[in-house]
Amino acid sequence: DAKTTQPPSMDCAEGRAANLPCNHSTISGNEYVYWYRQIHSQGPQYIIHGLKNNETNEMASLIITEDRKSSTLILPHATLRDTAVYYCIVRDNNYGQNFVFGPGTRLSVLP
Amino acid sequence: DAGVIQSPRHEVTEMGQEVTLRCKPISGHNSLFWYRQTMMRGLELLIYFNNNVPIDDSGMPEDRFSAKMPNASFSTLKIQPSEPRDSAVYFCASSFGTGRQPQHFGDGTRLSIL
Repeated sequence: DAKTTQPPSMDCAEGRAANLPCNHSTISGNEYVYWYRQIHSQGPQYIIHGLKNNETNEMASLIITEDRKSSTLILPHATLRDTAVYYCIVRDNNYGQNFVFGPGTRLSVLP
Repeated sequence: DAGVIQSPRHEVTEMGQEVTLRCKPISGHNSLFWYRQTMMRGLELLIYFNNNVPIDDSGMPEDRFSAKMPNASFSTLKIQPSEPRDSAVYFCASSFGTGRQPQHFGDGTRLSIL
């Protein structure tokens, strides 16, 4: 079973920041938070991951609360091409723990 | 850089036929994963390999499904005989090294069994 809870859908205006929340209240100390997205007809695309510190890369920023029970993925300037289903996944860093994808959040970026 | 390459992109065949899906992982990656995605069940892991050895096939739905990885650059997922309920998008993913490394997915094979 997925260990995360995400809103089923969100809208965001083009050019504005998209903030996608994720609750993972049962996360354990060894588990990382990963974000993927899936654009229609394509495979899931890796975005970012982190353990407890905030992370930033060329695609997005990941903000993890101090208690690690929730996180937010931030797309700083959303474009129409960011319309996709976004998946938040927690996963143990021991080898062999596979990714369990929940239903995710369907983000619609509106012109 | 070339990503994970899957073929064919689309496959339509009649029930009872054998279906073979192919995957070329990213060069240097030593773990390979096969997933299936349907509207009803979402994205499910079928099997994964580490260094060409199958590690966990508990997600394989039944004996009609089999997967092989004869070398580090190639894997197949075979369904024989195929049934309409096998219709889905099948994804292959690969990763490198320790468990925290992200998996990188191919664009999938859309399989339709008539």
